[in-house]
Amino acid sequence: AQTVTQSQPEMSVQEAETVTLSCTYDTSESDYYLFWYKQPPSRQMILVIRQEAYKQQNATENRFSVNFQKAAKSFSLKISDSQLGDAAMYFCAYRSANNAGNMLTFGGGTRLMVKP
Amino acid sequence: NAGVMQNPRHLVRRRGQEARLRCSPMKGHSHVYWYRQLPEEGLKFMVYLQKENIIDESGMPKERFSAEFPKEGPSILRIQQVVRGDSAAYFCASSLQDEAFFGQGTRLTVV
Repeated sequence: AQTVTQSQPEMSVQEAETVTLSCTYDTSESDYYLFWYKQPPSRQMILVIRQEAYKQQNATENRFSVNFQKAAKSFSLKISDSQLGDAAMYFCAYRSANNAGNMLTFGGGTRLMVKP
Repeated sequence: NAGVMQNPRHLVRRRGQEARLRCSPMKGHSHVYWYRQLPEEGLKFMVYLQKENIIDESGMPKERFSAEFPKEGPSILRIQQVVRGDSAAYFCASSLQDEAFFGQGTRLTVV
């Protein structure tokens, strides 16, 4: 079974600064997808960024980018120019490319606080 | 195109009662997933359904929990004889192919 670990329960960043959230995972599969989701106080799960394991290039979405290290099974999220609206819980998630369906395995989450 | 709709947003039940949580997937989506989020934890997969079929229920507790996705109407997650430990946020997600879209969840409180 796959597992996803987020070792930072809480992180804090100054507005306009950069922060990196860590995620490691364990799998024996070679083909899979990785995701970062944001969950603000409204509880809505918002997809921030996704990475296909077969792609070597790190995904980027505006101020959000990832550092995907397949051999190390590491998938960190970098948020540049942090904004107050970035404050939320962030969840790393894994999805197998081999199984039917879109079942996700989530990490325990990191609470990000943004200081004005 | 409305997103994934879950209702109710909040549900309070006394111990021993039944809880029914509803999920209407995005238009055209035929795959539905239910997840449970305990306080201060990540989401845990419960069950994956397609229309009228349960595809994977490996995350469902063996007793008191059931799910359906009928040909017509929303998907229902049913919890019988609720206990305090069932208090959690329950999320539904739907997909057509690749990406899963989440609803806002139902927060169940058992008193």
